[in-house]
Amino acid sequence: AQTVTQSQPEMSVQEAETVTLSCTYDTSESDYYLFWYKQPPSRQMILVIRQEAYKQQNATENRFSVNFQKAAKSFSLKISDSQLGDAAMYFCAYRRCTGNQFYFGTGTSLTVIP
Amino acid sequence: ETGVTQTPRHLVMGMTNKKSLKCEQHLGHNAMYWYKQSAKKPLELMFVYNFKEQTENNSVPSRFSPECPNSSHLFLHLHTLQPEDSALYLCASSQDSARCETQYFGPGTRLLVL
Repeated sequence: AQTVTQSQPEMSVQEAETVTLSCTYDTSESDYYLFWYKQPPSRQMILVIRQEAYKQQNATENRFSVNFQKAAKSFSLKISDSQLGDAAMYFCAYRRCTGNQFYFGTGTSLTVIP
Repeated sequence: ETGVTQTPRHLVMGMTNKKSLKCEQHLGHNAMYWYKQSAKKPLELMFVYNFKEQTENNSVPSRFSPECPNSSHLFLHLHTLQPEDSALYLCASSQDSARCETQYFGPGTRLLVL
């Protein structure tokens, strides 16, 4: 069974500093995608970044980057130069490329300290 | 703005009421999803529609009844709900549910069942 684990319910970071959010997943599939979604207090779930499992290069999107370790089934999100607007719940998600299922973690609540 | 809208944003209903949640996507996608988000739990996939056909029903109680009249609109009809059904209900869409596509989420409907 596919599961996604986010072991950090809450994290905090000083403004302008860097923070890393952890995510591990369990799968026997070889073809899948991984995602990080952000859900600010307004509740709109927004895609932050995604990673194709077949790609060895880590995805990067401006201040957001991932550390994808396929063998270890680890998919962490690094936020550089943290801004107040980065405060939100962050969800890690897994999707295999057959079938309809997205699997989400329980989320990490990120606080940015001015 | 992700192009997925949901109405109403907030809903309070009694256990004997009948209400409907509406979702509309403006992204030209062919797949739409309903999720339930409860505190401290991963998102739960409820229903999936692909090209207006239901392709997934994750053992959802019959008091939740989805309807997809076309690829742009998705409804969730509610009747005889229980207090434990109180949650945030998220709609999402993607290009095609059978492929490894990113899902884009609406802002959600916050439902309270009294």
